[in-house]
Amino acid sequence: DTEVTQTPKHLVMGMTNKKSLKCEQHMGHRAMYWYKQKAKKPPELMFVYSYEKLSINESVPSRFSPECPNSSLLNLHLHALQPEDSALYLCASSQDLGSNQPQHFGDGTRLSIL
Amino acid sequence: KNEVEQSPQNLTAQEGEFITINCSYSVGISALHWLQQHPGGGIVSLFMLSSGKKKHGRLIATINIQEKHSSLHITASHPRDSAVYICAVGHYGGSQGNLIFGKGTKLSVKP
Repeated sequence: DTEVTQTPKHLVMGMTNKKSLKCEQHMGHRAMYWYKQKAKKPPELMFVYSYEKLSINESVPSRFSPECPNSSLLNLHLHALQPEDSALYLCASSQDLGSNQPQHFGDGTRLSIL
Repeated sequence: KNEVEQSPQNLTAQEGEFITINCSYSVGISALHWLQQHPGGGIVSLFMLSSGKKKHGRLIATINIQEKHSSLHITASHPRDSAVYICAVGHYGGSQGNLIFGKGTKLSVKP
């Protein structure tokens, strides 16, 4: 079982819908990440939170809105998405921020935009 | 040229074979990560290393900092090892927490 839990596992939504992806970890990690992964491609970093504050935004369109309500939870709010946003969205966490920290990944949410 | 190159892109092996996956990088790094991704999507962190060699069960990872090269070895391969193996590096001078990913090596182990 993964220590990073993502819900839902699958999501189908229309371009006018508003939905949210959720990520939860109880390992006491202070850094949390959102990645987007297209088929047969490596993950692409979207956002990084450190101590519940947004640390990195990799020029992600505003139709994706992250939120970190507390140290264990990370949400990704979706609005007016485009078909090209269909992908696997992965959440990860690490003890602290830094590329020399192992990252623990969730199983992902597979998102399809109609 | 990608900053992280993996080879081979695809690898098919028979059960029991010794497998090697290679990763070369062109940037200064703080650490190198080997990740495993199964068809369902979830990613497991296998190793993080900045020097030498690490072993976990049938998996061995080595890194040569001078040559900017790392290898992942699987001994006595098994069909359950079938997955995509991804090399990722933490880049000095990059955004903190930002990893540069290779394109992955898809491994299929046949019974």
